[in-house]
Amino acid sequence: KNQVEQSPQSLIILEGKNCTLQCNYTVSPFSNLRWYKQDTGRGPVSLTIMTFSENTKSNGRYTATLDADTKQSSLHITASQLSDSASYICVVGGGGSYIPTFGRGTSLIVHP
Amino acid sequence: SQTIHQWPATLVQPVGSPLSLECTVEGTSNPNLYWYRQAAGRGLQLLFYSVGIGQISSEVPQNLSASRPQDRQFILSSKKLLLSDSGFYLCAWSVQGGGGSGNTIYFGEGSWLTVV
Repeated sequence: KNQVEQSPQSLIILEGKNCTLQCNYTVSPFSNLRWYKQDTGRGPVSLTIMTFSENTKSNGRYTATLDADTKQSSLHITASQLSDSASYICVVGGGGSYIPTFGRGTSLIVHP
Repeated sequence: SQTIHQWPATLVQPVGSPLSLECTVEGTSNPNLYWYRQAAGRGLQLLFYSVGIGQISSEVPQNLSASRPQDRQFILSSKKLLLSDSGFYLCAWSVQGGGGSGNTIYFGEGSWLTVV
């Protein structure tokens, strides 16, 4: 069964600190992996997308990594800002379906 | 550029009343369309997806239905709402081939439904 597990479920950090969010998946065969940011009460917005051949992708202060061998991805946020407070969702495509599999998300709260 | 609109943004409906949420996409043709639901503090659950006019696939049995009367219009409906239908509903689109094949899924701003 195609599954995406994210950890931690929630995270609280101080402004200016770095953090790393984790995503493990069992989707096979693997096609691609995306990270989305969802502000409270808004629709998710794509941050990064990686295919099998890519192991890192950056978007400003966001850096995503992918290890297709261990089926793990991480999203690293550098020098966090209050506006980074949101839910971060890992989405994996493949598994014989053109419907991707969504993780439950990690809720990040950045305190001043 | 492509845009997606869904409405209404907020809705409070009594139990047993009907529901209609609408979604339109502009700037693209023949998109894949999706309806997702997100319960409070939970992940996104795919409800319906459509690869073309009149073609609707349901992912979970429920009290809701979807229709695609035009290429870029997607409607979520219910004849009689239940309390458990409360949640945050998101319409989304991707180019043909779907989000699982490498195409990004683009989401609307969402509709908050509270059934009382």
